[in-house]
Amino acid sequence: DGGITQSPKYLFRKEGQNVTLSCEQNLNHDAMYWYRQDPGQGLRLIYYSQIVNDFQKGDIAEGYSVSREKKESFPLTVTSAQKNPTAFYLCASTSGRSSYEQYFGPGTRLTVT
Amino acid sequence: DAKTTQPTSMDCAEGRAANLPCNHSTISGNEYVYWYRQIHSQGPQYIIHGLKNNETNEMASLIITEDRKSSTLILPHATLRDTAVYYCIVAQRTSGTYKYIFGTGTRLKVLA
Repeated sequence: DGGITQSPKYLFRKEGQNVTLSCEQNLNHDAMYWYRQDPGQGLRLIYYSQIVNDFQKGDIAEGYSVSREKKESFPLTVTSAQKNPTAFYLCASTSGRSSYEQYFGPGTRLTVT
Repeated sequence: DAKTTQPTSMDCAEGRAANLPCNHSTISGNEYVYWYRQIHSQGPQYIIHGLKNNETNEMASLIITEDRKSSTLILPHATLRDTAVYYCIVAQRTSGTYKYIFGTGTRLKVLA
């Protein structure tokens, strides 16, 4: 089955630690995205990447970093500089050619204490 | 950035049509309207999208006003499984791809 996987579903970290969230897709999609969602709110764009080895900041990139070394993988690192890292993180991808429909993964809920 | 405005919440009786409105008065001519829904703690699911014309698929219909400043998502026969948060999104083209601008959505509750 084609799709997007995010692991783990729940992640707990101590304050001051960097943590990397995984996002993998086997849809052969070119573009990938990371969003953050806070309770009762919509999704906010952190970073996006249109092709391998290229990525752009979204609306709330401070305190986050990404890499895109492979087409199918787009990991997100939440650094200790992110002041409020506890949130629900969602990864998405789109083929970007004939359709801009974004396919979303199941999400990772990060709790930092 | 084009923004959307939606009612915070709506109720709908099971089996009846659910009509979810959305205002996007600052939308540009080449920006699409997308609708997604999100069931609690899951990733959003695509429903439908459109540019100018009304659209219909197996899940829903999308009615876009002639001036494109508002739209309505119609679920023709709502079921309990349609209870979710529905997001109306303007897809903004930037640097060769589309960025989604999410609002806070409408929490639809389908009542038995």
